Amino acid sequence: DAEITQSPRHKITETGRQVTLACHQTWNHNNMFWYRQDLGHGLRLIHYSYGVHDTNKGEVSDGYSVSRSNTEDLPLTLESAASSQTSVYFCASSDPGGTQYFGPGTRLLVL
Amino acid sequence: DAKTTQPPSMDCAEGRAANLPCNHSTISGNEYVYWYRQIHSQGPQYIIHGLKNNETNEMASLIITEDRKSSTLILPHATLRDTAVYYCIVRGRNAGNMLTFGGGTRLMVKP
Repeated sequence: DAEITQSPRHKITETGRQVTLACHQTWNHNNMFWYRQDLGHGLRLIHYSYGVHDTNKGEVSDGYSVSRSNTEDLPLTLESAASSQTSVYFCASSDPGGTQYFGPGTRLLVL
Repeated sequence: DAKTTQPPSMDCAEGRAANLPCNHSTISGNEYVYWYRQIHSQGPQYIIHGLKNNETNEMASLIITEDRKSSTLILPHATLRDTAVYYCIVRGRNAGNMLTFGGGTRLMVKP
């Protein structure tokens, strides 16, 4: 079955390190999204992509970057991890009708 | 995208129908009503969506009022596994449109 996966599921890192979170979908969806979820804030959009080589900033993009070299993957990079980036990160992709489907999430702890 | 209003929490007895309301009085003619839920620690899960007609799938039914200013998500026979936060989201159908998550309704299904 087609699906969307994220790795790692849990990550502990230190302040200042570069971290990359992987997102992979097998639906061949053009649109992919990264959100973060913190207590009291719900889900907030970080970056999104409408296709290969396309990337766009979302509501909370500072300190994050993405790249889209193929349809299946949208890795999220934290250039220099900060404690404020401790969060749960969700990746999503949307079908041609616009319905978004989410991955299981990555829990990131920055010490 | 139109703003939505949902009660912060609701209880439901196991086996009974759960009726979750949502107000979206500023919805425009081309905006759809989407419902997602998030079970603790998991990624948001798509449930159902509709424009103006009532919709039903294997998970739930969606009732949209004739003036489209409010809707109700119905889980016909709630189980303990339906305990989750339920989000009502109004947005255009375009595949690239972002999802904006509000506070949602925390549904507690009790034995």
